[in-house]
Amino acid sequence: QSALTQPASVSGSPGQSITIPCTGTNTDVGGSIHVSWYQQHPGKAPKLMIFAVSNRPSGVSNRFSGSKSGNTASLTISGLQAEDEAEYYCSSYTTINTRVVFGGGTKLTVL
Amino acid sequence: QVQMQQSGPGLVKPSETLSLSCAISGDTVSNNRAAWSWIRQSPSRGLEWLGRTYYRSKWYNDYAVFVNSRITINADTSKNQLSLQLKSVTPEDTAVYYCARDPPQANDAFDMWGQGTMVTVSS
Repeated sequence: QSALTQPASVSGSPGQSITIPCTGTNTDVGGSIHVSWYQQHPGKAPKLMIFAVSNRPSGVSNRFSGSKSGNTASLTISGLQAEDEAEYYCSSYTTINTRVVFGGGTKLTVL
Repeated sequence: QVQMQQSGPGLVKPSETLSLSCAISGDTVSNNRAAWSWIRQSPSRGLEWLGRTYYRSKWYNDYAVFVNSRITINADTSKNQLSLQLKSVTPEDTAVYYCARDPPQANDAFDMWGQGTMVTVSS
């Protein structure tokens, strides 16, 4: 059981927007600015899409945005494209038993 | 362009030691503003951060509690690489193992990853 909770799947049509929530506790998401999001295509390593809640690394499309409210962080993808279909994981700094915890992943299907 | 190239065996026997290396190019393992982690991924346990090493005038390590008694992460500055050793492995340690960089501008986020090494623990 992952420390951070994500829905198993979400879907959307090309051009639409979707939001993926990531729920933790006040010992991780709620108490940290170090919340990140990763995109992973099958057989590939994860790719950093968002760090520090809402910052995009150089080269990541501005269609990807992040936010946080209380113990829940969110990744929003606007203008869905076929290549966005992938697994998405959130992560957070934590004060309990380890340094970084991950969510269980959300499979995004572009219809 | 930072690249991280992993190497090591894909099959380890139960009770033995898992050993992996990660050669870094485009950055230095002794970068005093970065940290270098090992992360694994399995269908049953998902993504798990295992530990990290970093240099701030001297070397430091942090390890996840659940592997703390079995894990060693080292940096080899002469080869510009980091290594992972995980002792007394069981089938539960079967996973894809990744090395990853935690860059200066993004604490506890990982912007560069190795290609991954599938490690199976089986006799």
